[in-house]
Amino acid sequence: NAGVMQNPRHLVRRRGQEARLRCSPMKGHSHVYWYRQLPEEGLKFMVYLQKENIIDESGMPKERFSAEFPKEGPSILRIQQVVRGDSAAYFCASSPPHLRGLYTEAFFGQGTRLTVV
Amino acid sequence: AQKITQTQPGMFVQEKEAVTLDCTYDTSDQSYGLFWYKQPSSGEMIFLIYQGSYDEQNATEGRYSLNFQKARKSANLVISASQLGDSAMYFCAASNAGNMLTFGGGTRLMVKP
Repeated sequence: NAGVMQNPRHLVRRRGQEARLRCSPMKGHSHVYWYRQLPEEGLKFMVYLQKENIIDESGMPKERFSAEFPKEGPSILRIQQVVRGDSAAYFCASSPPHLRGLYTEAFFGQGTRLTVV
Repeated sequence: AQKITQTQPGMFVQEKEAVTLDCTYDTSDQSYGLFWYKQPSSGEMIFLIYQGSYDEQNATEGRYSLNFQKARKSANLVISASQLGDSAMYFCAASNAGNMLTFGGGTRLMVKP
C-alpha cells in the first residue's frame, strides 16, 4: 500500500522556465492538498482539489501558479516563469472522502524541493 | 480563519527526559482538529497525533500525548522519555471542515545525549 508519491524529489529550474510537480495520492484517496514550505517556516496551504474540481485555491498566488487533479493520473502543480522566490519545498497531502465536520489524518508525500537558479 | 502560534523556536532536552512543546490556536470554527507533525532533517512530514475539538479526553500515541485545554486554546505536545531520534522540527496544525491545515512556525527540538 504505497503512500503519497511525489516526483521529482528535487527539481532545479532556471528563472523563466516552467516547473511541473506531480502528486499521486494514496489508493482510495480522492482529496489532494498542496502546501508550500519556505526555508525555516511552516507549511502554507495553497490549494485543495478533488477529482476534476478545484475546491479551494485561496492560498494560490494569483499569477503563474495552477493546479489540476484529472480524472486519471496524478495531481499536477504547475509554476510558469519561475522566479528565485519560488524556491521552496512543495508538499502534497491526500485524504479519503470525508463528510464535512469530520477530520481525518492527511497523509503527506515526501515533498518536491524546487530550486530556482 | 485559523492561526497557530508556536512560541518556542528552539528547545533542548536531555535524553530520557520529558519535554513539552507549546501550541496555541485561534479559530472561529466550532468544530476543528488539532495535529502535531514531526519533520526530521530528511524533510518528510510525519503525523504524530490528532485531537478533535469535541474529544473530552487528551489524545495519546505511545510516547506522545496532547495536552488539550480548550478554554485556553492550547494544544501542547508532550514527549516522554526523549530519544536522540526525536531531534527534529515539530509543527502544530489545525484543520477546518475542509480538512485544510493551518500550520504554526514550528519548534526545533534538540535532544542531548
